[in-house]
Amino acid sequence: DVKVTQSSRYLVKRTGEKVFLECVQDMDHENMFWYRQDPGLGLRLIYFSYDVKMKEKGDIPEGYSVSREKKERFSLILESASTNQTSMYLCASSFLQGGTEAFFGQGTRLTVV
Amino acid sequence: RKEVEQDPGPFNVPEGATVAFNCTYSNSASQSFFWYRQDCRKEPKLLMSVYSSGNEDGRFTAQLNRASQYISLLIRDSKLSDSATYLCVVNGRTMDTGRRALTFGSGTRLQVQP
Repeated sequence: DVKVTQSSRYLVKRTGEKVFLECVQDMDHENMFWYRQDPGLGLRLIYFSYDVKMKEKGDIPEGYSVSREKKERFSLILESASTNQTSMYLCASSFLQGGTEAFFGQGTRLTVV
Repeated sequence: RKEVEQDPGPFNVPEGATVAFNCTYSNSASQSFFWYRQDCRKEPKLLMSVYSSGNEDGRFTAQLNRASQYISLLIRDSKLSDSATYLCVVNGRTMDTGRRALTFGSGTRLQVQP
C-alpha cells in the first residue's frame, strides 16, 4: 500500500510563528506536492518538487517555502504564520510522468490564532 | 478565469438515480484528466482516469471532449455510499516554469438520499 504520511493531523500556532509541515512517502515517487484546501476554492497548489533539492512554485507560493533534502521527504515552511494561512494542507506524491495518479496524505488542519 | 471549473452543487439525488457532472478546463495543451473522490474530512483518492475514447468502470462512465474542453462523469444507479465530493483534475502547467502539475477543480458535492 502506498503511504503518504503527514506529521500532524491538527496544529494550532500563533501569528508570527515559524511553522513546519512534514510529509513522507514510501513509494520512491519523484514528484511531491503541497496543496491547501479551502471551502469554495478547492485544492490550490503551493509548491511542488520533481527531484531532490528541486522545487517549483505553484499558484499560491507567497508566504511559504519548501525543502526537499531527501527523495522521500517534502517539508512546507510558513516563515511567519498569519491568520489567512489557516487552512487544510494536503501533501501528495506521484511518479515523474505527468499522467500518473497522485496519492495524498491525510491532511493537516492548521489554525493560526 | 479558473483553470478547471466545476459546478459546486450540491446535487441531491435519490438512490438509484443517474447523475452527471461536467467540468471545463481552460488549458488546451492539457494531456491527462482524472476524477478524484473526496469523502468528508478525508484526503482525495483517484476514482478513475479519463481517456480520449471514454471509459467505464462499473457504474461510472467518464468522457472527454477535447474540442469543447470538458470532461464528464456519469454515475448510474446511485448508492448512498456514492455521497462525496467529486474533483475534476487536469494535468496542467504551473505558472512558474510551465512544468506539469495536477490542477484540481473546486469539486462537486453529491448527496444520495434514501
